Amino acid sequence: SQQGEEDPQALSIQEGENATMNCSYKTSINNLQWYRQNSGRGLVHLILIRSNEREKHSGRLRVTLDTSKKSSSLLITASRAADTASYFCATEGFQKLVFGTGTRLLVSP
Amino acid sequence: DAGITQSPRHKVTETGTPVTLRCHQTENHRYMYWYRQDPGHGLRLIHYSYGVKDTDKGEVSDGYSVSRSKTEDFLLTLESATSSQTSVYFCAISDGTIQPQHFGDGTRLSIL
Repeated sequence: SQQGEEDPQALSIQEGENATMNCSYKTSINNLQWYRQNSGRGLVHLILIRSNEREKHSGRLRVTLDTSKKSSSLLITASRAADTASYFCATEGFQKLVFGTGTRLLVSP
Repeated sequence: DAGITQSPRHKVTETGTPVTLRCHQTENHRYMYWYRQDPGHGLRLIHYSYGVKDTDKGEVSDGYSVSRSKTEDFLLTLESATSSQTSVYFCAISDGTIQPQHFGDGTRLSIL
């Protein structure tokens, strides 16, 4: 069973625009993680936000967490063609992470 | 990149044959995981290991077995492959159960 669900399933934007992806989850968490997957490759960890944090930045990435709404968002600013990938949130199951089905982001030049 | 190697990277085999996928790490991480990734299902956990000879089932463990005789190696075996096991298989490692995971580049397995 999936804990996190990403929205939208697919997103298409132009280079330079911002991309926002959302993740909703069902049960209380200690942390939430975001991953990126380029075509044909494994997932790469992007950022971890703890339950007592509301916002976290890493380069052009901004992650927010609203534990009252059980949701998180990933914002990629000034998108580049190289940001084209699938993005997954991961939340806690029993002693393991549970991944959502992902958002497919296409950034066109 | 974390030192994770999956082998083989691609495999085509026939229904009913045994298949073993290997995951090798050079990071000395305690936890190792096997996932399968299918369209519409995302990433689903098959089995995981929390130490040498210590393994447990994940969400979709039926038809799969695993072994970990050394810290660095985690094997996934399909005893009698079925077409429903056609998928992309990923190995991952981590320092803790809810810590960031580092993934290999996957094995694309086709069962005809």
